[in-house]
This record gives sequence, C-alpha cells and structure tokens, in this order.
Amino acid sequence: DTGVSQDPRHKITKRGQNVTFRCDPISEHNRLYWYRQTLGQGPEFLTYFQNEAQLEKSRLLSDRFSAERPKGSFSTLEIQRTEQGDSAMYLCASSPIGGMSSYNEQFFGPGTRLTVL
Amino acid sequence: SQQGEEDPQALSIQEGENATMNCSYKTSINNLQWYRQNSGRGLVHLILIRSNEREKHSGRLRVTLDTSKKSSSLLITASRAADTASYFCATRRNAGGTSYGKLTFGQGTILTVHP
Repeated sequence: DTGVSQDPRHKITKRGQNVTFRCDPISEHNRLYWYRQTLGQGPEFLTYFQNEAQLEKSRLLSDRFSAERPKGSFSTLEIQRTEQGDSAMYLCASSPIGGMSSYNEQFFGPGTRLTVL
Repeated sequence: SQQGEEDPQALSIQEGENATMNCSYKTSINNLQWYRQNSGRGLVHLILIRSNEREKHSGRLRVTLDTSKKSSSLLITASRAADTASYFCATRRNAGGTSYGKLTFGQGTILTVHP
C-alpha cells in the first residue's frame, strides 16, 4: 500500500515527557501537512512543508512543538514536556504539486492518537 | 478557530433514505472539499468543488456550492449502513499563492444509517 503512514498509531505518555511521531507521505507528494483533532471537533491545521522547507506554522503550534522534514520525505512531529491538553489525534496528510495544484485533495494517514496522563 | 460550520451536528436515517448535510464558511475560498471519517480513523477525501462551480456529482454524492451565501451541501442518495461516519467540509482560502493548500475544517456531521 502506498498511502500515507503514521507511526505509532497510539501513544500513552505521562505529563512532562517528550514524544515524537513519524509520518511517511505518499512518495511523489511534495506537500506535507500536520493537523490535530480533538474529540468531537474537525482537524485543525498545525504546520505545512513543501519538500524540506517548513513554510507555514499555526499559532496553535507552541514552542513545545517542533516539526521537521529533513530530506523532503518523511516528517517528524515532536512535543516536548507534554501536557494533558495535548491529548488528541495527530493527523498527517500529503498532496502533490503540479498541474492545477490549487485544486489538489489531501491524502490523510490513519493518525496517531496521543493520550497524556 | 474553525471556519466551517456543519449542520446538522448529527443525523440519523434509515438505509435507503437520502442524507443532506450543510456547511457554511466565512472567507473567500478557492475550493471546498468534503471528507469522511470513520470512527477514530483518518479522513478520506470524497469530493472537491471549485469556487467557480455550482454543483458536482460523484456516484451517490452530490455537492452544491453557493459562494454568495458562503454555503455548501452534501447529499448522499440511497444511503447504506456503510455510510455511517462523520462528514467534514473543508475550505481552502482564496489567498493567492500563499495559502499553500491549508484546509480549514468544520466540526462535522455525524451520520448514522440504520439497516
């Protein structure tokens, strides 16, 4: 399957610990997005990469959050000193550039569900 | 803050009936997309409608877009139990080349189709 994959699928951690999530986009997709989704809500944009460049960050992304995409392929999202309010589903999506790129759909991974105790 | 607002928040119907969900948004958009999410899983893209389109069909799905009212509707005809899921509208702002395709999602409509 060549869809978007995320690892781990579930993470339980204690408050104050650091966690790191990984996203592998569809191989030919240049654009990669991270979203956060809390229970009963729609996904909220966190950050966007075009190849290895992080081009946009939401104000939701506090200093405790950092994302990288070092070689323009997979991406990692790290949360330092986790808080209970960080508990959510973290979704990764990718899309291609080219052609009528304004109109491209985003392909989502299955998400990583984080629980902070 | 969420731009899109879906209505209703929850919808319960019998198999074979049609389901209509509405979405409103606030800013000028480039396109509007509908996604489906099964419980606790990732989102699946259903259909995209551009700002210069008024109606689009895909299988049992029909989407309309009224940019003057900043609203869209998703109609699922002849619903099936497998259509049970949450449905989200998502908008891409019309901000020239700087919006990078970021999507702004609504809160979603939970659809339950009873067999």
